[in-house]
Amino acid sequence: AQTVTQSQPEMSVQEAETVTLSCTYDTSESNYYLFWYKQPPSRQMILVIRQEAYKQQNATENRFSVNFQKAAKSFSLKISDSQLGDTAMYFCAFNFGNEKLTFGTGTRLTIIP
Amino acid sequence: GAGVSQSPSNKVTEKGKDVELRCDPISGHTALYWYRQRLGQGLEFLIYFQGNSAPDKSGLPSDRFSAERTGESVSTLTIQRTQQEDSAVYLCASSLGTGGGEPEAFFGQGTRLTVV
Repeated sequence: AQTVTQSQPEMSVQEAETVTLSCTYDTSESNYYLFWYKQPPSRQMILVIRQEAYKQQNATENRFSVNFQKAAKSFSLKISDSQLGDTAMYFCAFNFGNEKLTFGTGTRLTIIP
Repeated sequence: GAGVSQSPSNKVTEKGKDVELRCDPISGHTALYWYRQRLGQGLEFLIYFQGNSAPDKSGLPSDRFSAERTGESVSTLTIQRTQQEDSAVYLCASSLGTGGGEPEAFFGQGTRLTVV
């Protein structure tokens, strides 16, 4: 079975700084998808970024980028120039084939003004 | 609508009553998930429907919980004889599945259930 681990329950950073959230996973599969989701206090889950395992290039979406290390099974999220609106819970998730999405336990990120 | 729709948004029920939560997935999405999220906690997987395959019910916490899905459309999550510990937000999500090239799940706003 696939597992996803987020080892940082909480993090905080000053506004405009850069922060990196960690995620590791365990799978024997070679082709799969990885995601980062954001859940602000409004509770709406929002997809931040996705990465296909067969792509070597790290995905980027504006201020959000990932550091995907396939051999190490690591998938960290970097938020640059952090903003107050980035305050949220962040969940890492894994998906393969028609298997269900597997989520990590989440990291609560607080941006300090 | 364009997104995943859940109803009701909020539900307050008395302990021991049955409740039914509804999820309308995005049209064409073959995969549908139910999750439970207690206050300040992560996502607890409940059940997963994928096309016509048998649902993965491995996350249902007790036999008081059940869910159905008609084809690739609406799903209902039923909780019988509700207990205070059932109080949580229930989130529904749907996706095309990896075969569709867009495996990401899209979430509804959730139903906040309060058992008094």
